[in-house]
Amino acid sequence: AQKVTQAQTEISVVEKEDVTLDCVYETRDTTYYLFWYKQPPSGELVFLIRRNSFDEQNEISGRYSWNFQKSTSSFNFTITASQVVDSAVYFCALRDQGGKLIFGQGTELSVKP
Amino acid sequence: GAVVSQHPSRVICKSGTSVKIECRSLDFQATTMFWYRQFPKKSLMLMATSNEGSKATYEQGVEKDKFLINHASLTLSTLTVTSAHPEDSSFYICSVQTAGQHPETQYFGPGTRLLVL
Repeated sequence: AQKVTQAQTEISVVEKEDVTLDCVYETRDTTYYLFWYKQPPSGELVFLIRRNSFDEQNEISGRYSWNFQKSTSSFNFTITASQVVDSAVYFCALRDQGGKLIFGQGTELSVKP
Repeated sequence: GAVVSQHPSRVICKSGTSVKIECRSLDFQATTMFWYRQFPKKSLMLMATSNEGSKATYEQGVEKDKFLINHASLTLSTLTVTSAHPEDSSFYICSVQTAGQHPETQYFGPGTRLLVL
């Protein structure tokens, strides 16, 4: 079965702290894609990153970094020096072979000043 | 990535009326469009997959006659909630998949908040 688990429902940090959002997935596919999306209070889902199963290199984009570990089926997301504008719900998603996205439950991040 | 718009952004209607929501891909031709529903504090639930020129494929448990989807062109898909009832109140989001460099990526619209009184 295809499944994405984001065990952290809510996280609250103080500005400038680093925070890691966990994502664990299950799939039988040998080729697959993983995604992270950000949903701010306005509601729109903003695409953050795509990773295919053959590319295990970690990626860094500004204050954002992603750690993909196939051995543990995890695709964790770290925000360094968090800011109030990072407050949002973050979704991890797995694309199945039919093209559908399977979303995790989401992690609500609250960054307090 | 693709720029996606939805209209209206918010709608309030009386029970029994029908509501049409538009989803447009503004800068890419969308080979496939998806419709999701999201309840407060919940994840996204896929309702249907829409391909241009063909009938939409609905997920299990989603009523085809209740949620009519028309994918009339490569840039426009519409979702009509027919005879809406209060339990249809929700946040509806569309996404597009393009034939560009990364066809596996879905880009989402801003969503439509529907409140049925």
